[in-house]
Amino acid sequence: AQRVTQPEKLLSVFKGAPVELKCNYSYSGSPELFWYVQYSRQRLQLLLRHISRESIKGFTADLNKGETSFHLKKPFAQEEDSAMYYCALGSRGTYKYIFGTGTRLKVLA
Amino acid sequence: KAGVTQTPRYLIKTRGQQVTLSCSPISGHRSVSWYQQTPGQGLQFLFEYFSETQRNKGNFPGRFSGRQFSNSRSEMNVSTLELGDSALYLCASRRGPMDGANVLTFGAGSRLTVL
Repeated sequence: AQRVTQPEKLLSVFKGAPVELKCNYSYSGSPELFWYVQYSRQRLQLLLRHISRESIKGFTADLNKGETSFHLKKPFAQEEDSAMYYCALGSRGTYKYIFGTGTRLKVLA
Repeated sequence: KAGVTQTPRYLIKTRGQQVTLSCSPISGHRSVSWYQQTPGQGLQFLFEYFSETQRNKGNFPGRFSGRQFSNSRSEMNVSTLELGDSALYLCASRRGPMDGANVLTFGAGSRLTVL
């Protein structure tokens, strides 16, 4: 079954600490993986996508096809990183677009 | 360029009524998807339209329906409202499934409260 799993509903870390939001997927085709973020009272928006292999706001994510994971990482969390994060899976040429259940990140002062 | 526009932004209905929500995608985007967002269930996929045809559907009852017009604008309708339909309904657009980046651009949402 096609699935995106985010095991943590809530993740709390202290400012300056490293953060890792976990995402595992199950998909038989050629997946494209994304992280979307929703800050308080803002629109859900793209944070980064695996094909870009870029760092946005200090966040990176590497697609590990062997472990079917796409974890989001940041070495030093900031208070402004507090938000809801969704991992998503899409597939070129199909209408499949699957979101995980989301992880709320709270960065404590 | 203008983003994804959803109307109305807020609405209050009573049980049994019906509601229609509207979404105007980014110019050039032919695909429109709808999601229901609640604190308990997170983001749940309703359906996706491309070129006026429903291409994918989530696991929602038939009370939830949608359509897309030739200008790619989309509407979704919920009939016989229930208390549990209270949620933020999000619309997202993208160019289409052949767009390799497959990035969704979301609207601000329509917040529905059912009393």
